[in-house]
Amino acid sequence: EEQLLESGGGLILPGGSLRLSCAASGFTFSNYAMSWARQAPGKGLEWVSAIGGSGSTSYYAESVQGRFTISRDNSKSTLYLQMNTLRAEDTAVYYCAKDIGWDREFGYFDVWGRGTLVTVSS
Amino acid sequence: IVMTQSSATLSVSPGERVTLSCRASHTVSSSLAWYQHKPGQAPRLLIYGASTRATGIPARFSGSGSGTEFTLTISNLQSEDFAVYYCQQYNDWPPLTFGGGTKVEIK
Repeated sequence: EEQLLESGGGLILPGGSLRLSCAASGFTFSNYAMSWARQAPGKGLEWVSAIGGSGSTSYYAESVQGRFTISRDNSKSTLYLQMNTLRAEDTAVYYCAKDIGWDREFGYFDVWGRGTLVTVSS
Repeated sequence: IVMTQSSATLSVSPGERVTLSCRASHTVSSSLAWYQHKPGQAPRLLIYGASTRATGIPARFSGSGSGTEFTLTISNLQSEDFAVYYCQQYNDWPPLTFGGGTKVEIK
């Protein structure tokens, strides 16, 4: 069974940093692009960032460009999201999601994790 | 591309049929997916390519449309279908964009 498990969320002060992880199992991780999406309290889903299967290409939403960095370790089947200069508006449940393709040829997701909560507050 | 789901909430009785709408600000061809999301759970892919059901999705879920206008129809609503539904375009990205969601609640 294909599964994704996020971790690393928590309470962080504005301006702080946090790294999220997403452990994948049940599929050949390096064959697929991966994304992070988030859901702020009371809001809908928002795509945050994507990375190609090799890790050499990455894409970002304008709202996080320059502050967040997506990466992956295919030897560990793990996706990461390094979040710097966090703001109150970054408070959300963060989900990792598996794309059906290897890079930008598709862009929709057949497997999602349950999410990890990030709260940015003083 | 801005995705708009016109109804924030739809109140429906079990066994009825419900149609959800999604509009794109620019054409997305048929590059449109629908997801179901329940509180505390992972979102689930229902439809891709505007009308193709994902693996394991019951036939009571159907999608249609192309260009800028799309619909998701759920026939014979079951108790497990009460959830929030999102459309998402993947025709022109980044960024990938989702609609604001439609909550289907029990009437």
